[in-house]
Amino acid sequence: NAGVTQTPKFQVLKTGQSMTLQCAQDMNHNSMYWYRQDPGMGLRLIYYSASEGTTDKGEVPNGYNVSRLNKREFSLRLESAAPSQTSVYFCAFGQEMNTEAFFGQGTRLTVV
Amino acid sequence: QQQVKQSPQSLIVQKGGISIINCAYENTAFDYFPWYQQFPGKGPALLIAIRPDVSEKKEGRFTISFNKSAKQFSLHIMDSQPGDSATYFCAASSLTGGGNKLTFGTGTQLKVEL
Repeated sequence: NAGVTQTPKFQVLKTGQSMTLQCAQDMNHNSMYWYRQDPGMGLRLIYYSASEGTTDKGEVPNGYNVSRLNKREFSLRLESAAPSQTSVYFCAFGQEMNTEAFFGQGTRLTVV
Repeated sequence: QQQVKQSPQSLIVQKGGISIINCAYENTAFDYFPWYQQFPGKGPALLIAIRPDVSEKKEGRFTISFNKSAKQFSLHIMDSQPGDSATYFCAASSLTGGGNKLTFGTGTQLKVEL
């Protein structure tokens, strides 16, 4: 997937554990996003960052925190994982005025 | 509450046939309507998109039809091929609000049979 690296690709957590999902883009775009994908629900926006140093909540932010470390990197943190956070997580990026959002390959997270 | 409603949930089409997926939206502030294609194990990728100032956009075998008054838009795949078998998502966003925060439909799993 064009210009974006997501790590890890797979992860199993126990309830209550914490972890950080990493995302880095090499296209020098301003906006970055975290989505989660669940069966029958499409993709839902968790958090986004319109530019370096700014972050904002999306549709389903509860239980998550984010950090826009620099223009390239946008991380998603689960402080205390819950089974309801079992999902596939996608990082995406794009220019503010550009209409295309580029998605990573996803992180499949299972919380047991 | 689903701001973008997509149907059908799944679709089986014969090779060479026409695949049609429909979406409806509620928010009149939406001004950008893309379709994304997703293959298993991959992230979604932009297929085609339309702005509300036109009623139709065609790129190869893929056409978006847009009805602003009805707040509906649809994807038509002409001469459907087995390689088109994938999950398709419609989406919408308001570009005037800055950035491109997409609201997605629930997806349509398309299978094109030989």
